[in-house]
Amino acid sequence: QQQVKQSPQSLIVQKGGISIINCAYENTAFDYFPWYQQFPGKGPALLIAIRPDVSEKKEGRFTISFNKSAKQFSLHIMDSQPGDSATYFCAASIHGYQKVTFGIGTKLQVIP
Amino acid sequence: SQTIHQWPATLVQPVGSPLSLECTVEGTSNPNLYWYRQAAGRGLQLLFYSVGIGQISSEVPQNLSASRPQDRQFILSSKKLLLSDSGFYLCAWSPGTQNTEAFFGQGTRLTVV
Repeated sequence: QQQVKQSPQSLIVQKGGISIINCAYENTAFDYFPWYQQFPGKGPALLIAIRPDVSEKKEGRFTISFNKSAKQFSLHIMDSQPGDSATYFCAASIHGYQKVTFGIGTKLQVIP
Repeated sequence: SQTIHQWPATLVQPVGSPLSLECTVEGTSNPNLYWYRQAAGRGLQLLFYSVGIGQISSEVPQNLSASRPQDRQFILSSKKLLLSDSGFYLCAWSPGTQNTEAFFGQGTRLTVV
């Protein structure tokens, strides 16, 4: 059962454009939503995270938008650069619960 | 600061051979530990997680097993590898007291031939 649905699975964006990755969750007990960035041959690394008590969090060119009522959250990458080309995973977890649930991942390619 | 070490980085093993992948975490105590597998172009599949020494939960029935002989050591094993065991294996940890994000090792690329 996929508890966190992520789309699209692949995305091609031109340099300078906006990359948008969407995730939806089912379990309303989730209370922490991290995003991970993974380069080929490497482990995923935490990129940015949000809690459901805020609707938006911005760090540099990366912004998470969170819609609690719709049970959706998204990652926006502004002014996308070729160095942003990677696989991005959204995730969700519950305080005090051992497992982090990941989305299927989005392979982003930023072309010059 | 906390660090996670996973080795080896790459491994080529024949079908039917045993497997042992090791992961250690430094700079924290009583972490939650995880083994994930990532097939080519696919998402992260949770294989095992552990909340303490000797405590292993299996997520997916398979040819693999996990053990946690020490607080910060997590081992993934197989007695006889199958071709389908090929993949990218990732160890991860999260704080035991407050589970937020997971921190990943650099991964092991396993090719079973």
